[in-house]
Amino acid sequence: EVQLVQSGAEVKKPGESLKISCKGSGYSFTSYWIGWVRQMPGKGLEWMGIIYPGDSDTRYSPSFQGQVTISADKSISTAYLQWSSLKASDTAMYYCARVLWFGELSNWFDPWGQGTLVTVSS
Amino acid sequence: QSVLTQPPSASGTPGQRVTISCSGSSSNIGSNTVNWYQQLPGTAPKLLIYSNNQRPSGVPDRFSGSKSGTSASLAISGLQSEDEADYYCAAWDDSLNGRYVFGTGTKVTVL
Repeated sequence: EVQLVQSGAEVKKPGESLKISCKGSGYSFTSYWIGWVRQMPGKGLEWMGIIYPGDSDTRYSPSFQGQVTISADKSISTAYLQWSSLKASDTAMYYCARVLWFGELSNWFDPWGQGTLVTVSS
Repeated sequence: QSVLTQPPSASGTPGQRVTISCSGSSSNIGSNTVNWYQQLPGTAPKLLIYSNNQRPSGVPDRFSGSKSGTSASLAISGLQSEDEADYYCAAWDDSLNGRYVFGTGTKVTVL
């Protein structure tokens, strides 16, 4: 069974750093892109970016470029999303998902991780 | 700043047919295929429809998708109580060096 398991909920203060994880299993981790999606409280889904663990090629949404870093460690089949200095506005649920990629013409997320809730508050 | 527009809500009684629209542009729906995701309350999104009208294994055939020009639609026929959820359309957008964009989301209520 293809599965993505994310790290647990985090409570941080503004200005702190954070790295959350997403571990894939049941498939060849290096052969599929992994994406990250933000969902702020009571709001919709926002695409943050994707990474290809095979060569660490990364693409960011313009909205998140420079705000977060996406990385992966293929030796342990894990992708990461990190912040160097959190803001209260980073409070959200963050989902990872495997990308089925057939080019820009056709690609989709399946399956999704269970989500990691990040709360940033002083 | 979603670039795909959906109605905020839709509703129906059990057994009815509900349709959700998704309006985009030439740089997203007009050029690329559309996917739909279902998010049940308190859970992660789940792929419902891919490549405009394909259902993943396990998705009931009462869910169907279509696309025409720069718009797409999701239809739920034979609405059931367990279909009460948020639904999002999505597609690749070729502008701004490329990015994946989600719709604004539609809350489906079963009356």
